[in-house]
Amino acid sequence: KAGVTQTPRYLIKTRGQQVTLSCSPISGHRSVSWYQQTPGQGLQFLFEYFSETQRNKGNFPGRFSGRQFSNSRSEMNVSTLELGDSALYLCASSLEGAGSYEQYFGPGTRLTVT
Amino acid sequence: AQKITQTQPGMFVQEKEAVTLDCTYDTSDPSYGLFWYKQPSSGEMIFLIYQGSYDQQNATEGRYSLNFQKARKSANLVISASQLGDSAMYFCAMRENQAGTALIFGKGTTLSVSS
Repeated sequence: KAGVTQTPRYLIKTRGQQVTLSCSPISGHRSVSWYQQTPGQGLQFLFEYFSETQRNKGNFPGRFSGRQFSNSRSEMNVSTLELGDSALYLCASSLEGAGSYEQYFGPGTRLTVT
Repeated sequence: AQKITQTQPGMFVQEKEAVTLDCTYDTSDPSYGLFWYKQPSSGEMIFLIYQGSYDQQNATEGRYSLNFQKARKSANLVISASQLGDSAMYFCAMRENQAGTALIFGKGTTLSVSS
């Protein structure tokens, strides 16, 4: 079974630009969560999508948004990039229900903002 | 207050030795789950082990076991017979039932295994 895939793996953007990251979950998984990892703040939850609906949201500004498609693939968008948005962005998928709680992470997208 | 505390920034162990990585947590939710993840230098987070708050027995997965002490709010990871490939960052995380699937992570512990 294929794992969680994220594209692109690396990205360099300039301040003020916007960026879209993509995440394809494990087949059959309907929940996709996004996390930001920085050296200073560590791993922080951004938001979670389940069946195309945002189910949960972390404490991030409105510049961070996301969506989920009917095939469970998810995208996150960051508008008006700031230097502090440089981070590893990880997405995780999970099979909700049936007593399954594990979240499986993708390899991440490393975003550098210059 | 931090919800997940990992007090060991770095740990050093020799091959074949056992090592315990500490994790304490803080929650008022009676239903929660505790996770351990491994993150090699490549960046990918690898799920290791899960313990539910109502599980009576400590979770085990191969060489990994979770020493769950509910009254102390402690969820230490024990790795038996360390291998060179175990060198990585290890994160403890918690999911509170009231917060949905959001994971709260600790700051991590860097484990270095030497031969």
